[in-house]
Amino acid sequence: KNQVEQSPQSLIILEGKNCTLQCNYTVSPFSNLRWYKQDTGRGPVSLTIMTFSENTKSNGRYTATLDADTKQSSLHITASQLSDSASYICVVSEEYGNKLVFGAGTILRVKS
Amino acid sequence: KAGVTQTPRYLIKTRGQQVTLSCSPISGHRSVSWYQQTPGQGLQFLFEYFSETQRNKGNFPGRFSGRQFSNSRSEMNVSTLELGDSALYLCASSLGRGYGTDTQYFGPGTRLTVL
Repeated sequence: KNQVEQSPQSLIILEGKNCTLQCNYTVSPFSNLRWYKQDTGRGPVSLTIMTFSENTKSNGRYTATLDADTKQSSLHITASQLSDSASYICVVSEEYGNKLVFGAGTILRVKS
Repeated sequence: KAGVTQTPRYLIKTRGQQVTLSCSPISGHRSVSWYQQTPGQGLQFLFEYFSETQRNKGNFPGRFSGRQFSNSRSEMNVSTLELGDSALYLCASSLGRGYGTDTQYFGPGTRLTVL
């Protein structure tokens, strides 16, 4: 069964610190992997989209990495800000089913 | 460029009623996907419309249906509402198909409460 698992479930860090969120998937064959940021009460916002040939993609202080061999991805947030407090969702696109498989998300809270 | 808009933003219904939600995609976008989000299940795919045709469907009962108009605007209908249908309903638009590499832009969602 195609699955996407994210860890940790939740995370609290101090403002200015870095953090890394993990995403492991079993989706195969895989077309692309996305990371979304969702603020409370709002729709998700796309951070990065990577195909299987891409290892790293950055969007400001957000850097996503992908290892298609081990089926793992991570989202690294540098110099966190209070506005980074949100849910981060990993989504994998299944190639043949043309479907998106969603992770449960990691809830990040940045404290001052 | 205006973003994805959804109406209404909040809705309260009672069991057995039906509801219609509306989504206006970003101008020029041909794909509209609908998602249900609940605290217990997270984001779940409902269906995708592209050029007025349903192209993909998630694992939801037939009570959930939708359509897309020639201007790409989309509506989602839920009939015979159940308590478990209480959720945030999100729509997302993209230039190409939703599962591809085109960025999906989400609307703010419609919060449906079924009493």
